[in-house]
Amino acid sequence: DAKTTQPPSMDCAEGRAANLPCNHSTISGNEYVYWYRQIHSQGPQYIIHGLKNNETNEMASLIITEDRKSSTLILPHATLRDTAVYYCIVRLRPSGGGADGLTFGKGTHLIIQP
Amino acid sequence: DTAVSQTPKYLVTQMGNDKSIKCEQNLGHDTMYWYKQDSKKFLKIMFSYNNKELIINETVPNRFSPKSPDKAHLNLHINSLELGDSAVYFCASSPTTTRRGYGYTFGSGTRLTVV
Repeated sequence: DAKTTQPPSMDCAEGRAANLPCNHSTISGNEYVYWYRQIHSQGPQYIIHGLKNNETNEMASLIITEDRKSSTLILPHATLRDTAVYYCIVRLRPSGGGADGLTFGKGTHLIIQP
Repeated sequence: DTAVSQTPKYLVTQMGNDKSIKCEQNLGHDTMYWYKQDSKKFLKIMFSYNNKELIINETVPNRFSPKSPDKAHLNLHINSLELGDSAVYFCASSPTTTRRGYGYTFGSGTRLTVV
């Protein structure tokens, strides 16, 4: 799985959009970009994933650059409950597909300020 | 209904003891996992298991062993507990079919403290 680079921490005001960047310059053509988050003392939570196209669901939007070397997770209207560590993970299979798990980096600690 | 449930939530035990952590998933997933999160908050995979293969992270001591009575359960048994085993242990599951929108589902964790 390709390596990812994320800023260690970010602040965002409540009600504003939180934009979390991720660099994955060594990503290969069939690797997906996954985002998970871990709220304090809880298990990681799946947010969104994508391959090439931008994706949106009820939680967030994922913008992937045309060269796929970086992506941005967007939380459109951040709330205090969005304070968490956000992990960007690049892997071959879009879901389980084989017993090889997820590799977590250090992630970005997003702090939503009231 | 909790999708992936772990018991106990907290476990305090003495060095040298043997303990088990239970995990159950009701999602019909084929693959289950155990992760360890240490005091520095790094999440590392320990095991992944489906009915066909067990993959063990080579850094995991053989005092740790997963036991799966059926597809919905993957328990973690730890022998001769050491102080360094203190951590939060997370169980997770995932489907092996590539359905859009499906990712890994994690339990809420078991905080193990060895004294």
